Amino acid sequence: EDQVTQSPEALRLQEGESSSLNCSYTVSGLRGLFWYRQDPGKGPEFLFTLYSAGEEKEKERLKATLTKKESFLHITAPKPEDSATYLCAVEVGSSNTGKLIFGQGTTLQVKP
Amino acid sequence: GAGVSQSPSNKVTEKGKDVELRCDPISGHTALYWYRQSLGQGLEFLIYFQGNSAPDKSGLPSDRFSAERTGGSVSTLTIQRTQQEDSAVYLCASSIWGAGDYGYTFGSGTRLTVV
Repeated sequence: EDQVTQSPEALRLQEGESSSLNCSYTVSGLRGLFWYRQDPGKGPEFLFTLYSAGEEKEKERLKATLTKKESFLHITAPKPEDSATYLCAVEVGSSNTGKLIFGQGTTLQVKP
Repeated sequence: GAGVSQSPSNKVTEKGKDVELRCDPISGHTALYWYRQSLGQGLEFLIYFQGNSAPDKSGLPSDRFSAERTGGSVSTLTIQRTQQEDSAVYLCASSIWGAGDYGYTFGSGTRLTVV
């Protein structure tokens, strides 16, 4: 069964304290791995798509990396406005349906 | 509009009543998805529309759930004879095609509470 597991469930950082969020996956045929950010009361906001092992993408203080078994979201020198829930999702299968399997998310709190 | 619009934003209903949730996708987006987010759970796929193709209903949890998309645009998710376990946030998303390089654009969701 295709599965996505995120860790930790919650993470508290001081402003400027870099860290990483983990997304491990067990799937049959990865088409893409996605990272989203979700603020309270809002829908998830797209961050990155990664397609193959070794791929990296960056946006401001965030960098996403992908291996054959997991993805990391590295947060460098976070600010309080980076506080949110970060969701990882995978698209699997042979056709481009866009159906995603989501992990349960990591809730990040950055204190000033 | 500029984003995906969902209505109502909140809905409280009595157990056993039917509810309709509406989604207005971004103009020109051919793919439309419904997901459900329950407290403490990840997002759960419900149904997917792509252009004029038959919808993929593989995620609907029971035959009380149905959805339609009219004119390739607005979509309505209907839950009949609501149960307390249907309480969740229902999220709609749209994209040009699939999840691809730009992901989906999600709406803010409808929070459904069944009492």
